[in-house]
Amino acid sequence: DIQMTQSPASLSASLGETVTIECRASEDIYNGLAWYQQKPGKSPQLLIYNANSLHTGVPSRFSGSGSGTQYSLKINSLQSEDVASYFCQQYYDYQNTFGAGTKLELK
Amino acid sequence: QVQLKESGPGLVQPSQTLSLTCTVAGFSLTSYNVHWVRQPPGKGLEWMGVIWNTGGTRYNSALKSRLSISKDTSKSQVFLKMNSLQTEDTATYYCARDPHYPGIHYVMDAWGQGASVTVSS
Repeated sequence: DIQMTQSPASLSASLGETVTIECRASEDIYNGLAWYQQKPGKSPQLLIYNANSLHTGVPSRFSGSGSGTQYSLKINSLQSEDVASYFCQQYYDYQNTFGAGTKLELK
Repeated sequence: QVQLKESGPGLVQPSQTLSLTCTVAGFSLTSYNVHWVRQPPGKGLEWMGVIWNTGGTRYNSALKSRLSISKDTSKSQVFLKMNSLQTEDTATYYCARDPHYPGIHYVMDAWGQGASVTVSS
C-alpha cells in the first residue's frame, strides 16, 4: 500500500495567518490526492481533489499544490471556522489511503 | 439535497457480525458509487470498500476476507456486513458518495453522519 505521511500532526495559528499542511506519499501518486476537513464531532468534508482542484462551495482561501510525492494544503487568512482536523488521501492506487491527520487550533 | 444516513447497532459482541445500512436521498444508486470508511476513536480514516453504480464491489485488501457490501437500489440503501469482529473494529463507520468526477474514483464528496460501533462483551 502507498503510505501517506502528513505533517505537522498539530498546528496552532492566529486568525488571519496563512497555514500550510504537507503530505508526502511513499511513491509517485500522479496528483491523485484529495484533502478533507473534519470539524470536531462531524463528518469529513471534501476540500480539494486532483491535488489542486477546489471542490464546489469550498472557500477560495483553501488551495492545494504539489506533484509527484509531495503535496500541500494552504489556508490563507485563517478563520475561526477553519479549526478542524485535515486529512490527505491518495487515490492513485485503488487501495486508497489517508494521512494520519493534522489538528489545527487557534493560537 | 444529497443525504446519506448510517444505521445499525451501537454495540456488537466480539466474533459477531456487524450489519450497517446506509440510506441515501437526493441521488440514485444507479448513477453514483458509495464507499464505506471507518475511523477508530481519536484516529485517522480507513477506506473499507466501495459498491459501484453498476453493482460491482471492491474492498480494502486488509478487510476483504471479512467484508461484504451490497445494495437495494429500489430502497436507496447500501449495506455493509463484516464478520469476526474484534475490539480493534471499534470505530465510527461512514458511508460516503463518490462524486463521479470524470476519470476519478475513490474521492468522497458527501458523507453520512457516521454510526458509532463498539465491539465489546
